[in-house]
Amino acid sequence: GEDVEQSLFLSVREGDSSVINCTYTDSSSTYLYWYKQEPGAGLQLLTYIFSNMDMKQDQRLTVLLNKKDKHLSLRIADTQTGDSAIYFCAERGGRRALTFGSGTRLQVQP
Amino acid sequence: GAVVSQHPSRVICKSGTSVKIECRSLDFQATTMFWYRQFPKQSLMLMATSNEGSKATYEQGVEKDKFLINHASLTLSTLTVTSAHPEDSSFYICSASRREDAYEQYFGPGTRLTVT
Repeated sequence: GEDVEQSLFLSVREGDSSVINCTYTDSSSTYLYWYKQEPGAGLQLLTYIFSNMDMKQDQRLTVLLNKKDKHLSLRIADTQTGDSAIYFCAERGGRRALTFGSGTRLQVQP
Repeated sequence: GAVVSQHPSRVICKSGTSVKIECRSLDFQATTMFWYRQFPKQSLMLMATSNEGSKATYEQGVEKDKFLINHASLTLSTLTVTSAHPEDSSFYICSASRREDAYEQYFGPGTRLTVT
């Protein structure tokens, strides 16, 4: 079945860039997503990328997709303390439901 | 934008009772809604896919008689946890798609269920 993996924790200093990595196994993935979850809250869609794209940039966010290696990354430029949260990578393959990674907890130190 | 609400946001119930959680798409029609479950500090696990006017499709290992799903209209799906036990305590999140094969799913804010 589908599997999505992420590192569990990342700590950066305020103002630095953060890079969160994700790998997936489903070769039929059509869309890949990054969601943000703050404590006790639901999921906020940050960005998504279609599988035929290599890169997508949206303000401080840059998504890179290496389809050959099934590797997805999210770069947050000029990371702020408000960016501290859990970031989930998710993929959508043949069916419409999403498969989520385990989440990466981003801690931004002042 | 598309908004999905859930009600209640938080519920505490006693063991053996049933709890109903509502998921509503406020400004769009959702042909498909999904129910996920999230344990503390863990990822979201899909429980079932709910299609308007038809029976829900449950994931392997999810008891359909325990987690009753009803998608009665294009804007409302309900999840009823029957005869709840403490191990059912979790964060339940729904999402909705505007139409089939839409790339985007809109997530509700989640419902935290605590069974005492």
